Amino acid sequence: EIVMTQSPATLSVSPGERVTLSCRASQSISSNLAWYQQKPGQAPRLLIYDASSRAIGIPARFSGSWSGTEFTLTISSLQSEDFAVYYCQQYNTWPPACTFGQGTKLEIK
Amino acid sequence: QVQLVESGGGLVNPGGSLRLSCAASGFTFNDYYMTWIRQAPGKGLEYVAYISGGGDYTFYADSVKGRFTISRDNAENSLYLQMNSLRAEDTALYYCVRVKDLYYFDNWGQGTLVTVSS
Repeated sequence: EIVMTQSPATLSVSPGERVTLSCRASQSISSNLAWYQQKPGQAPRLLIYDASSRAIGIPARFSGSWSGTEFTLTISSLQSEDFAVYYCQQYNTWPPACTFGQGTKLEIK
Repeated sequence: QVQLVESGGGLVNPGGSLRLSCAASGFTFNDYYMTWIRQAPGKGLEYVAYISGGGDYTFYADSVKGRFTISRDNAENSLYLQMNSLRAEDTALYYCVRVKDLYYFDNWGQGTLVTVSS
């Protein structure tokens, strides 16, 4: 099973800052990775697919990149509505298996 | 716009059964694979089961294989999850989710809560 490891678990940042979230795969998954945002009391929302493609309606301040098995979600200038939990998900072995990272919580500093 | 509305959650005893439903609208339902994803209270996301657009292919997470059955009724634009032999560890919010391009999850319902407890 491919294990997805996100770091850090919690990140305290100030509005307006640039932030980088990391997700590492335990083996190669090519670019078969998505990022989701989940706000309290809400369902997750797709942000990025295929490691770097923005989903419909996602602001340009969100971007994704990767190198090898290291994946990065960057938010160029944090807005108040961006404080949430972010999950990565690999779909290289889908179907039938896909795995999520454990999440990174972005909180206000 | 795409809407996914789950129902059928509730409190059930260990060993009991429950059937979840998801009413889909705003897209051509049978064009899309669908999946159930769950989230235990305060925890992360876990894929549960997956079904092809025609309903002929189904896949399950190892944790639910043999106990849960995913199905769909394309005439009714509905997705189902039959859950048998429920365990405490099945307690979670269950999301009905549309699968985009066969691989990632582009639209989510608001979830229905399943609590397994005596």
